[in-house]
Amino acid sequence: DAGITQSPRYKITETGRQVTLMCHQTWSHSYMFWYRQDLGHGLRLIYYSAAADITDKGEVPDGYVVSRSKTENFPLTLESATRSQTSVYFCATRLGTGSTEAFFGQGTRLTVV
Amino acid sequence: AQKVTQAQTEISVVEKEDVTLDCVYETRDTTYYLFWYKQPPSGELVFLIRRNSFDEQNEISGRYSWNFQKSTSSFNFTITASQVVDSAVYFCALTLLLNAGNMLTFGGGTRLMVKP
Repeated sequence: DAGITQSPRYKITETGRQVTLMCHQTWSHSYMFWYRQDLGHGLRLIYYSAAADITDKGEVPDGYVVSRSKTENFPLTLESATRSQTSVYFCATRLGTGSTEAFFGQGTRLTVV
Repeated sequence: AQKVTQAQTEISVVEKEDVTLDCVYETRDTTYYLFWYKQPPSGELVFLIRRNSFDEQNEISGRYSWNFQKSTSSFNFTITASQVVDSAVYFCALTLLLNAGNMLTFGGGTRLMVKP
């Protein structure tokens, strides 16, 4: 009954490798989001999804791919990791349209070397 | 597009001092929500408050208080008698109720250090 689970919590990968960050929710919330947190920028939206099989770009989508085949999962893939993608990644959910409260995962700290 | 600005990147105070974290926002919409989140050293985001654009009443919760002023597009956060446990990064955020996805737009954050 964890709500939102992100895995892994920490990841070190090499430049050019593909890496997938996982996000799983137990609530069946419609909306799911991926943010990245960087010093001085706060959190910026990468991608979001309104429902299964519906995804859309956020503010900083380049270099990332998402999918949502099931309501509860929203994986984020870095197809060819770059050092600029070193960041802390947060997954979030929201119940549905008109709902304002967002629930955040614990974050994944990704380092690209 | 909406924007949230937290001009103070870092604030350092001594325990028991009062401290105010500033937040200025920009949006053309009349219906929106403002938030404050706390991110302690452990890294998770902790929800503190949500305020809608039609409610300009200030709110107090223990040592925390929030001052929402639409005239200046500000939503400032004051901690009274600060404590070491208040040391964290604080984020102000904005969401438009009717935008696609209702995603949050965050400010850059203010790192508060409370020294004993």
